[in-house]
Amino acid sequence: GEDVEQSLFLSVREGDSSVINCTYTDSSSTYLYWYKQEPGAGLQLLTYIFSNMDMKQDQRLTVLLNKKDKHLSLRIADTQTGDSAIYFCAERGGGADGLTFGKGTHLIIQP
Amino acid sequence: DAGVTQSPTHLIKTRGQQVTLRCSPKSGHDTVSWYQQALGQGPQFIFQYYEEEERQRGNFPDRFSGHQFPNYSSELNVNALLLGDSALYLCASSFFLQGSGEKLLFGSGTQLSVL
Repeated sequence: GEDVEQSLFLSVREGDSSVINCTYTDSSSTYLYWYKQEPGAGLQLLTYIFSNMDMKQDQRLTVLLNKKDKHLSLRIADTQTGDSAIYFCAERGGGADGLTFGKGTHLIIQP
Repeated sequence: DAGVTQSPTHLIKTRGQQVTLRCSPKSGHDTVSWYQQALGQGPQFIFQYYEEEERQRGNFPDRFSGHQFPNYSSELNVNALLLGDSALYLCASSFFLQGSGEKLLFGSGTQLSVL
C-alpha cells in the first residue's frame, strides 16, 4: 500500500529556517498536505499543494514538491518557539481512501 | 463558529466492551471522516461519511462502524474492544470543492484507553 516517510526529529535554532522533508510512494497522489499537531490537540492544516504544482508559498511557509522523486518539503522561515510541534506530511492518493499520513517530525526549537 | 467538536474528550473502557464516540462537524461541512492515531504514529484513516452513507473505508475490521445523521453529525462505534484499540480518535469534517483539494478540519480528538 501507499507509504509516507518522515524523519522523526529536527532541531533548529530560534530565528533559523526549518526544513522538514517527506517522501511518499503513491505515484497517483493528487494532493499533498502539511499538518501541525501541538500537545493534546488535534491536527491543524498548515498548507497543501496540488500534484501539478512544484512550489507554494504562504507567508513564512514554503512547500516544494518534486513529483519525479516523490519528495515534499516544508520550509518554515524565521522559526519561533511557537513553531515547536509535530509536523505531519499527508497525501491523498488516486484511490482517495482518505489521507495517508507519515509518522510525524518533532520540531525542536533551541533558544 | 466552534469548528469540529468531539465528545467525550477522554474515555476509559475495558476489553470486550463497546464504545460510541461523537462528532459535530464545522457549520457548512457535509462530510465527516474518522481517523485513529496510536501513540507515536500518524493518523490512520478509518472511514468517511457523506449523505449519511459510508463512502470510503480504510483497513479496519468490521468491529469499527459508524453513522452520519441528517444534521451531518457522526458517531463512531467500536465493538469488542481490544487493548490495541487504545488511541486518539480524530474526527475531521470537510466540504469538497472540486479542484481545490479536500481541506480536512480536525477536532481535538477523543482519547480512548482500553484496560
